Amino acid sequence: DTGVSQDPRHKITKRGQNVTFRCDPISEHNRLYWYRQTLGQGPEFLTYFQNEAQLEKSRLLSDRFSAERPKGSFSTLEIQRTEQGDSAMYLCASSFGGTGEKLFFGSGTQLSVL
Amino acid sequence: DAKTTQPTSMDCAEGRAANLPCNHSTISGNEYVYWYRQIHSQGPQYIIHGLKNNETNEMASLIITEDRKSSTLILPHATLRDTAVYYCIVTKAAGNKLTFGGGTRVLVKP
Repeated sequence: DTGVSQDPRHKITKRGQNVTFRCDPISEHNRLYWYRQTLGQGPEFLTYFQNEAQLEKSRLLSDRFSAERPKGSFSTLEIQRTEQGDSAMYLCASSFGGTGEKLFFGSGTQLSVL
Repeated sequence: DAKTTQPTSMDCAEGRAANLPCNHSTISGNEYVYWYRQIHSQGPQYIIHGLKNNETNEMASLIITEDRKSSTLILPHATLRDTAVYYCIVTKAAGNKLTFGGGTRVLVKP
């Protein structure tokens, strides 16, 4: 068990550029979640997958954001036309699902939009 | 999911028990109480969860009141490495998207 892996750890971009983050979940886990966290706040739910199906997206999620999980393994989160307000920590988590579900989080990708 | 209320911060002496309270007066019968913590620059870490009964694992104990309207997380012997933000979350188990509040910032002092 190598844990949830996220890449890159840090990303600095200019406003208007597109960025993509990758998450590799724990291998047996069928659920994968994306969260966003700004300084001093708790993480905020963005979206989640059961295998390759995206089952829920937050209403707060702009249409500039898109997530995929091809083949139910790793996932990518893309932000198009980044804005300064997108600056945040993007966290990925995975789980087995089911009753008493426990989420295992990665260390996150810190995005800074200049 | 039911809303939770936690103190903003608390200090604890190293080696002593840390008792972290959480109010969740609107909890419904099928909602679990979960605790996660987040150490600086890391993702949140699962600690423990429960439905009705008290629970204990290698990290902590969870005491849930009989009416389920509040709970307490107990770290039996706090160490400096327990310094973190602790989140109390109430959620239905299925499709477990967690709603994090502000949490309690715990500082363990030598």
